[in-house]
Amino acid sequence: GNSVTQMEGPVTLSEEAFLTINCTYTATGYPSLFWYVQYPGEGLQLLLKATKADDKGSNKGFEATYRKETTSFHLEKGSVQVSDSAVYFCALGLYNQGGKLIFGQGTELSVKP
Amino acid sequence: DTAVSQTPKYLVTQMGNDKSIKCEQNLGHDTMYWYKQDSKKFLKIMFSYNNKELIINETVPNRFSPKSPDKAHLNLHINSLELGDSAVYFCASSQEVINGDTQYFGPGTRLTVL
Repeated sequence: GNSVTQMEGPVTLSEEAFLTINCTYTATGYPSLFWYVQYPGEGLQLLLKATKADDKGSNKGFEATYRKETTSFHLEKGSVQVSDSAVYFCALGLYNQGGKLIFGQGTELSVKP
Repeated sequence: DTAVSQTPKYLVTQMGNDKSIKCEQNLGHDTMYWYKQDSKKFLKIMFSYNNKELIINETVPNRFSPKSPDKAHLNLHINSLELGDSAVYFCASSQEVINGDTQYFGPGTRLTVL
């Protein structure tokens, strides 16, 4: 079946540390891949996306590259800030699936000053 | 201007009651969705609608009935509420029903069933 697996949280980092949140997927066909972020008490916001293999999505200093050979879409940021504290969700979308997104379990990130 | 709005933000009710959650989007999108987020923050699709027509019903109990009076609205009615229905419900919208399209989420409705 189609699924997304993320690294377990919570992840606690100091400000300016390097961030990696691992995401791997299983999918039939060629999915689009997304990272969404959920700040406390809010809905999800798109952080970045990639729609085909080797594409790199980037936004607000975050990056992720669609790696078909390793079925991965790891999220990275070179220097995190306290304001990056949130829950991060990796998701995939498949053609002909009514637009639905299949989410990973989410990874909570806490950045300390 | 709120792109995707939901009402109410919080809903506390007794088991067995019937309740509705409303969703509106002002983005001019053709497709709308309902997702359920459980206590462990796991998100799962419930329904999707495209141009007021049901596209996905993800094995949701028939106590849940979505209604789309027009493209800008997708409401969720829940009959005979159960304890297990307690969750945060998110509405979302996208321009099209394709796999690469960005979905825009509402702020969520936290439903607590006592």
